[in-house]
Amino acid sequence: DAMVIQNPRYQVTQFGKPVTLSCSQTLNHNVMYWYQQKSSQAPKLLFHYYDKDFNNEADTPDNFQSRRPNTSFCFLDIRSPGLGDAAMYLCATSRDLLGDSNQPQHFGDGTRLSIL
Amino acid sequence: AQTVTQSQPEMSVQEAETVTLSCTYDTSENNYYLFWYKQPPSRQMILVIRQEAYKQQNATENRFSVNFQKAAKSFSLKISDSQLGDTAMYFCASLSGNTPLVFGKGTRLSVIA
Repeated sequence: DAMVIQNPRYQVTQFGKPVTLSCSQTLNHNVMYWYQQKSSQAPKLLFHYYDKDFNNEADTPDNFQSRRPNTSFCFLDIRSPGLGDAAMYLCATSRDLLGDSNQPQHFGDGTRLSIL
Repeated sequence: AQTVTQSQPEMSVQEAETVTLSCTYDTSENNYYLFWYKQPPSRQMILVIRQEAYKQQNATENRFSVNFQKAAKSFSLKISDSQLGDTAMYFCASLSGNTPLVFGKGTRLSVIA
């Protein structure tokens, strides 16, 4: 059974049109992460939530926002997508901040975002 | 700051043969963890194997094993008896403290029948 679920698998939006990607988890993990992965590149962390505490990476553009209304759900909002934002977006969870344990991150299948 | 370097963008191996993927890392922490993740085409990223830096014994998981050389900051992955299903991107990653995972750029492995 899928433990980290991302919807949709494929998302197409227009240049400049806001888009929201969703992630849910059944693991009851404290931490949820959003990564951007462009073709043949490593995932790049955008931000993560530890419970309700939001942690933004320093180089994450302001165009990217996130919401975590409860433990199970986390959303990635792209306010004005540009062509350079076309990528795979990966959601991941971990029980704790990984430095506190050796629990691995659990990844979703990802949402591939295309910009027209 | 942590860095992870994978110097082999692509590799190929014949089915049933053994292949080794290289990874080096840099960290100022004394306690850290190292991981290899596998990302098959159009499928989710999954953990293959992990290593705690304080453990000298190399981790093994069935056909997957690592060669952890702490002094050299090297963490290579050996895949024995390669199977077609091993075809994927392989990412080396490290973490320490409360910082999230740092990934290498990945190695694309193709297993050839």
